[in-house]
Amino acid sequence: GIQVEQSPPDLILQEGANSTLRCNFSDSVNNLQWFHQNPWGQLINLFYIPSGTKQNGRLSATTVATERYSLLYISSSQTTDSGVYFCAVGSGGSYIPTFGRGTSLIVHP
Amino acid sequence: ETGVTQSPTHLIKTRGQQVTLRCSSQSGHNTVSWYQQALGQGPQFIFQYYREEENGRGNFPPRFSGLQFPNYSSELNVNALELDDSALYLCASGQGGDIQYFGAGTRLSVL
Repeated sequence: GIQVEQSPPDLILQEGANSTLRCNFSDSVNNLQWFHQNPWGQLINLFYIPSGTKQNGRLSATTVATERYSLLYISSSQTTDSGVYFCAVGSGGSYIPTFGRGTSLIVHP
Repeated sequence: ETGVTQSPTHLIKTRGQQVTLRCSSQSGHNTVSWYQQALGQGPQFIFQYYREEENGRGNFPPRFSGLQFPNYSSELNVNALELDDSALYLCASGQGGDIQYFGAGTRLSVL
């Protein structure tokens, strides 16, 4: 099956700093989502982005499908950005996503 | 708020017992998927239901089974619980499966 690797595994920032999270995948995809999992376990959709670039406030994401990677940018980080960020990809006709192991982000005040 | 609710939030069972977890999807969503998330790992796909029929299954044994009902609710049943079944169980719903919306999960502990 498709392999998904996320980097870095852990990230510690001061409030206000910027960061880039990376998701590499081993095969062509037709679906890609970024999620934020808060400390209580809730997975929140950030972006549905199988290709191209999207922005939502301080967050933006870019997927370069031909090179098999996606990037999530967090600018001016806040303590509420803390949690685990997951990339999930799907290929083929049915969207059965494969998740990476996530990037654990801690933002200190 | 994703509109997907799961119950119970926490559950403690002993090895060998059976458990039923419940999920209420958003109105209009015709797919529901269940995931198992072990500590420190990403969610692992268990199975997906589309219009009340199983539509795909991950690498989980038959003692993991499910149901989807016409009223946008669904169940995950696990028989003969093992210690390794301890995990966060997540339900996700969607329309056509491309974008999935997750509930807050049920944390199952097997002793």
